[in-house]
Amino acid sequence: GAGVSQTPSNKVTEKGKYVELRCDPISGHTALYWYRQSLGQGPEFLIYFQGTGAADDSGLPNDRFFAVRPEGSVSTLKIQRTERGDSAVYLCASSLGVRDQETQYFGPGTRLLVL
Amino acid sequence: DQQVKQNSPSLSVQEGRISILNCDYTNSMFDYFLWYKKYPAEGPTFLISISSIKDKNEDGRFTVFLNKSAKHLSLHIVPSQPGDSAVYFCAASRFKNTGNQFYFGTGTSLTVIP
Repeated sequence: GAGVSQTPSNKVTEKGKYVELRCDPISGHTALYWYRQSLGQGPEFLIYFQGTGAADDSGLPNDRFFAVRPEGSVSTLKIQRTERGDSAVYLCASSLGVRDQETQYFGPGTRLLVL
Repeated sequence: DQQVKQNSPSLSVQEGRISILNCDYTNSMFDYFLWYKKYPAEGPTFLISISSIKDKNEDGRFTVFLNKSAKHLSLHIVPSQPGDSAVYFCAASRFKNTGNQFYFGTGTSLTVIP
């Protein structure tokens, strides 16, 4: 399909483990965003990529969280030493990256559960 | 600190009537506003947007109104249909050279009763 895709759709892990979440943006979209959504809350910004570089990572909660986008397309969000509080839906969004056309299109999310 | 607020967690409306969802924001620098619709187990789907240079934008049954002086926007759905039942999020952003970080409200769950 032509939309944003995320894998896996669900991930269950144990406290202390390492996880990777993948995002495939819409083809041609240079901007890519990661958000985290906890139960009963709206999406909360984590990090933004323009091309290959992380232009704004001010939303990452601590140094256990890291994201890459090595070729300017697919992005991977990496979480080390997972904690139960990391349990949430992790959403990826992409946009054209052009001012005045900044609508972000979201993927279905990855539901992470840390036991 | 929550910069975008949706104070009504839920709303029920009869089919055919108007649904009005409200959103307030605190940052006067926000210049772009959007509404997203979310079904369970899916990501948010873009619905409608408005730039701060406008006070109204219409797309079919959906109209967004922006009152900059009151820092308030609303989404009107007329007529409401059962398929509109979902969680609606408003989002606001300010374009910066480092990108367009969106701030989301906590959502309003709309139920349209047939």
